[in-house]
Amino acid sequence: GENVEQHPSTLSVQEGDSAVIKCTYSDSASNYFPWYKQELGKGPQLIIDIRSNVGEKKDQRIAVTLNKTAKHFSLHITETQPEDSAVYFCAASLPWAGTASKLTFGTGTRLQVTL
Amino acid sequence: DTEVTQTPKHLVMGMTNKKSLKCEQHMGHRAMYWYKQKAKKPPELMFVYSYEKLSINESVPSRFSPECPNSSLLNLHLHALQPEDSALYLCASSQGMGLAGHEQFFGPGTRLTVL
Repeated sequence: GENVEQHPSTLSVQEGDSAVIKCTYSDSASNYFPWYKQELGKGPQLIIDIRSNVGEKKDQRIAVTLNKTAKHFSLHITETQPEDSAVYFCAASLPWAGTASKLTFGTGTRLQVTL
Repeated sequence: DTEVTQTPKHLVMGMTNKKSLKCEQHMGHRAMYWYKQKAKKPPELMFVYSYEKLSINESVPSRFSPECPNSSLLNLHLHALQPEDSALYLCASSQGMGLAGHEQFFGPGTRLTVL
């Protein structure tokens, strides 16, 4: 099955700086890679995703890059703000014949943005 | 409406009790999921329903019994749970088809405590 590793486990940045979180996956057949943000006491929120036919995707201050050869993908947050503080999970999904997707999550990164 | 709702928010039950968790979505999604999340860990997939049929059971103990009465509702029936089953139980849904078919949207979760 798929295995996803995520680093770092904790990340502290000053407000306005950039933050980068990296994930590697094991199965080269994985073709969908979402990122989730989970605030305390809430469910995970999908913030950005990328498919295997795309190398980079950007949405305002958030961007994701994918290197299929190296089997790794990264989340980039620019101009960080205190409200970016949360736990971030990467995930990978293998193609599946059914109508649902089966996500394998990374272990999470606790991001703290300090003033 | 892009929301997945879950009730109750909190649940405390004894090991001999029977209780149910409920999940609802009105996005027309045809795939629904139950996840279990322990503190400081990523969500773990339990069950997947696709078009109201159980598609995946990740070897979950029989004391957890899922039910999908219709395409908008998902229940998780609990019976004879153990203290180690205490966790945040998350429901998610996805469209199940098309380019956006893999995107999973999570509810806020039910915090379950088993005494």
